[in-house]
Amino acid sequence: DIQLTQSPSFLSASVGDRVTITCRASQGIYPYLAWYQQKSGKAPKLLIYGASTLQSGVPSRFSGSGSGTEFTLTISSLQPEDFATYYCQQLTSLPPYTFGQGTKLESK
Amino acid sequence: QVQLQESGPGLVKPSQTLSLTCTVSGGSISTYYWNWIRQPPGKGLEWIGYFHSSGRSFYNPSLKGRATLSVDTSENQFSLILDSLTAADTAVYYCARERCTLGTCYFDFWGQGILVTVSS
Repeated sequence: DIQLTQSPSFLSASVGDRVTITCRASQGIYPYLAWYQQKSGKAPKLLIYGASTLQSGVPSRFSGSGSGTEFTLTISSLQPEDFATYYCQQLTSLPPYTFGQGTKLESK
Repeated sequence: QVQLQESGPGLVKPSQTLSLTCTVSGGSISTYYWNWIRQPPGKGLEWIGYFHSSGRSFYNPSLKGRATLSVDTSENQFSLILDSLTAADTAVYYCARERCTLGTCYFDFWGQGILVTVSS
């Protein structure tokens, strides 16, 4: 199975900060990498797919990059509604699909 | 707008079988791959498996053959059966649509989730 490791697992930041979350895969998965945001008690919400394509309706302060085995999610200027947990996911043609362990973004 | 809604029991006894249904509205169930994902309380996301109306399916080996997925195109529903339940199966269960486009795939629509507790 392909393992995904996110870093950091916890992140404290302030409104207006630039935030970066990293997702490393145990083997090459480009471009089968998606990012999701999950708020407490809610289902995950798709932010980014294909490593760098912004889902319709998602604010442009969110961006994704990377290739091969290393990927990043960046929030250019953190807003109050962005405090949540973020997950990366790989969906290559060889299941099982896997998720990273999550990064909890908290207010400093 | 596509909407997904999970339904099923909230409490199941150990060793029994869980049956969950996901009803899809606003779109046809015939075209896409349909997935189940679960999340134990306070923990991360675990993919269970997918099913396509063509009959193609794949399950997470971690479930050791306990899961069965199916699709009912006449009702626009897809289902999960999970047997030999233990407390470790206590989780919020989500259904999600998988879309593949531009050479990649992703889960673009999710249900709100249903909490299933395994307890006697």
